[in-house]
Amino acid sequence: EAGVVQSPRYKIIEKKQPVAFWCNPISGHNTLYWYRQNLGQGPELLIRYENEEAVDDSQLPKDRFSAERLKGVDSTLKIQPAELGDSAVYLCASSLGVMGQAQETQYFGPGTRLLVL
Amino acid sequence: TQLLEQSPQFLSIQEGENLTVYCNSSSVFSSLQWYRQEPGEGPVLLVTVVTGGEVKKLKRLTFQFGDARKDSSLHITAAQPGDTGLYLCAGSSSNTGKLIFGQGTTLQVKP
Repeated sequence: EAGVVQSPRYKIIEKKQPVAFWCNPISGHNTLYWYRQNLGQGPELLIRYENEEAVDDSQLPKDRFSAERLKGVDSTLKIQPAELGDSAVYLCASSLGVMGQAQETQYFGPGTRLLVL
Repeated sequence: TQLLEQSPQFLSIQEGENLTVYCNSSSVFSSLQWYRQEPGEGPVLLVTVVTGGEVKKLKRLTFQFGDARKDSSLHITAAQPGDTGLYLCAGSSSNTGKLIFGQGTTLQVKP
């Protein structure tokens, strides 16, 4: 079975340009997460979806970041305009989304490495 | 704000040596997970510990959850070059279920 798929794997853009990342979670997984991982740091949650609903976007910088999961399956994360400090790895993860289960296993994709020049 | 501090941040050892990585917090977590991340890949779950004082073993890796569920350790016996990678601990908030990651420990095992 395929794991979490992300594209592109690498992206280099100039500051002030827009950029979009795409994620296809594991089939049947209802919960989808976007994380940002800075160099030498652990991942930080940006947004969590339960099906198509964003249930936690408290860490998403809403002035320039947006995300959508229109049909409750794949998702896109957009930055517009990008800034130098946005250079990082953007990880997508998914989990089954079983009601009442305190901590589910999250399966991570390989990430998109973004470099803003 | 819940924080997890990992130590050491970097570790370079020879094949066959033992090592311990620590993950500490002033907050209580409902569970704690350890991940390993290789360059160019996402984190992969190694283990989840839930009960205070719990010890889990995965081949040469031993994971322990502190009695008060605020800290954890990962011990590797007879490290191999294949153990090289970034080790991340992550605590699950009992209030929100959100995963809080430590900053990671980069391990290099030299042959």
